[in-house]
Amino acid sequence: GQNIDQPTEMTATEGAIVQINCTYQTSGFNGLFWYQQHAGEAPTFLSYNVLDGLEEKGRFSSFLSRSKGYSYLLLKELQMKDSASYLCALSGGSYIPTFGRGTSLIVHP
Amino acid sequence: GAGVSQSPRYKVAKRGQDVALRCDPISGHVSLFWYQQALGQGPEFLTYFQNEAQLDKSGLPSDRFFAERPEGSVSTLKIQRTQQEDSAVYLCASSLGWQNTGNTIYFGEGSWLTVV
Repeated sequence: GQNIDQPTEMTATEGAIVQINCTYQTSGFNGLFWYQQHAGEAPTFLSYNVLDGLEEKGRFSSFLSRSKGYSYLLLKELQMKDSASYLCALSGGSYIPTFGRGTSLIVHP
Repeated sequence: GAGVSQSPRYKVAKRGQDVALRCDPISGHVSLFWYQQALGQGPEFLTYFQNEAQLDKSGLPSDRFFAERPEGSVSTLKIQRTQQEDSAVYLCASSLGWQNTGNTIYFGEGSWLTVV
């Protein structure tokens, strides 16, 4: 089976940096995804990590440590439009992504 | 098409009514997934197709739920005798397929089902 844990809610200030953590347990591993979901909209793909280390993509970076069952999403230079839910998803042995419950990020001025 | 397309976007059904939700995946995508998302929760897996074969339906909550993809492209999720607990957003997603690197799934905008 798989288990994914991420904080329910975080708040941050516009222009700041925020790190959203995700821990997981799984019997098979084929990659970890991060998705962004604005209220009332579909999840949109942000990043995919299959090897340990940091993947940087503009203001967003994602880190993975397979030995620790740990990932984080780092958002820099926060903007109001970054207020959304951030979903951590695990691709296990079956290659079917399993999602966490999401972290609601509130960015305030 | 350019993205995953779902219809209807919104559906209000009376309890006991049957509903059918349609998904048109990205052209050429082999894999197709259905997820159910309740308010404030992450998407929960329902079922998975590789081409026309339904390889995993372990997430379907009851035998009232049925999905098909007869020609390996468009898929339909059918819910019979809807109940109030079926109210949720039903998300369809597709990917190139597990054998490709970066088996990223891309979501449609969802079908919002409300059972009254």
